Amino acid sequence: DQQVKQNSPSLSVQEGRISILNCDYTNSMFDYFLWYKKYPAEGPTFLISISSIKDKNEDGRFTVFLNKSAKHLSLHIVPSQPGDSAEYFCAARSISGSARQLTFGSGTQLTVLP
Amino acid sequence: KAGVTQTPRYLIKTRGQQVTLSCSPISGHRSVSWYQQTPGQGLQFLFEYFSETQRNKGNFPGRFSGRQFSNSRSEMNVSTLELGDSALYLCASSLVPADRAGANVLTFGAGSRLTVL
Repeated sequence: DQQVKQNSPSLSVQEGRISILNCDYTNSMFDYFLWYKKYPAEGPTFLISISSIKDKNEDGRFTVFLNKSAKHLSLHIVPSQPGDSAEYFCAARSISGSARQLTFGSGTQLTVLP
Repeated sequence: KAGVTQTPRYLIKTRGQQVTLSCSPISGHRSVSWYQQTPGQGLQFLFEYFSETQRNKGNFPGRFSGRQFSNSRSEMNVSTLELGDSALYLCASSLVPADRAGANVLTFGAGSRLTVL
């Protein structure tokens, strides 16, 4: 039973346009959400996070949106650059509840075309 | 400072064999978590060690085991290898137990790519 789902295994976007990566979760105990980025032959690196008390968090070209009622979060990259081509994982955990271990989605491979 | 180091980076084994993977955390980090990455499954949590004690365990069979040494280095072992064990095994370290800290606490190594033939 996947508690964190990334339903799009891949996404292609033109350079300069917006990339939108989506993630759904089922466990209502999750209250902290993170995005990790992974290049081939490297480990995942932390990108951005959001607490459930917020609905938006922005860091430069990266913005994460959280819709708690829909149990949905998305990562927006604007503008997209070829160097953003990587695999993106969303992850969730409960800061205070029982699901404290990070639970990851299956990943979305983003390709930014020059 | 040095990052998380995993060895070996690549290895090939045959069914029925066993394998041991090593992870050296960032200096000062006492927690090491292990994950298995397979296509379509994302990162599946195996276990976490903190101060030489297994703190949390994922839903994997007993063939998967681990340990942590006094210098915080960790090893994971998979016995009686199966074809389905072919995966990228990632370890991540953190200063405090991974289930206690907040965001961006996990620093990952580059992984050990295991192929089982």
